[in-house]
Amino acid sequence: AQSVAQPEDQVNVAEGNPLTVKCTYSVSGNPYLFWYVQYPNRGLQFLLKYITGDNLVKGSYGFEAEFNKSQTSFHLKKPSALVSDSALYFCAVRDGGNTPLVFGKGTRLSVIA
Amino acid sequence: DARVTQTPRHKVTEMGQEVTMRCQPILGHNTVFWYRQTMMQGLELLAYFRNRAPLDDSGMPKDRFSAEMPDATLATLKIQPSEPRDSAVYFCASGPRSGTGGAGELFFGEGSRLTVL
Repeated sequence: AQSVAQPEDQVNVAEGNPLTVKCTYSVSGNPYLFWYVQYPNRGLQFLLKYITGDNLVKGSYGFEAEFNKSQTSFHLKKPSALVSDSALYFCAVRDGGNTPLVFGKGTRLSVIA
Repeated sequence: DARVTQTPRHKVTEMGQEVTMRCQPILGHNTVFWYRQTMMQGLELLAYFRNRAPLDDSGMPKDRFSAEMPDATLATLKIQPSEPRDSAVYFCASGPRSGTGGAGELFFGEGSRLTVL
């Protein structure tokens, strides 16, 4: 069975600094990995995904994520954080096929001006 | 602008009452998922459908929850009778047909916030 771990409940970063939100996964086959963001009282919005190919994936709002197969990680990054990036971030995985996404617990990102 | 539509956005009800939540998936999407979000458990999968057929509802309490897709444009999640522990935000998500099998992302609705008193 697939699973996702987001080891940090909360990440605080100063505006303008780089940010990283961590994610590790476990699947039996090839992983399909996703990042979503949730703003207060809203649904989840897709940010980016890794399916195959280049390990560095670029997504919406300047976010990117790096797939590392040996470390089974898919950390979300942004070179320069904005206050408006403050939200709840979810990592998700499926092991191929059209199976449901399994989500991590979420990491709350707080960007301080 | 295609999006998943959920109703109601907010529902307050008393214990024992029936609650029905509705979801209109994005036109052309063939998979529909129901997730529940709570502070303690995070996002839990309740049920999902492909081409309107239920594939897995093992995440739902069978005695009180039921999920159906009467047609391709409507998915419903019903709770009868409702209990305070059902208080949560319920999300519907739909996914496109994918030739590569599973590469497509899910699109989420805004959620239905349920409070059972």
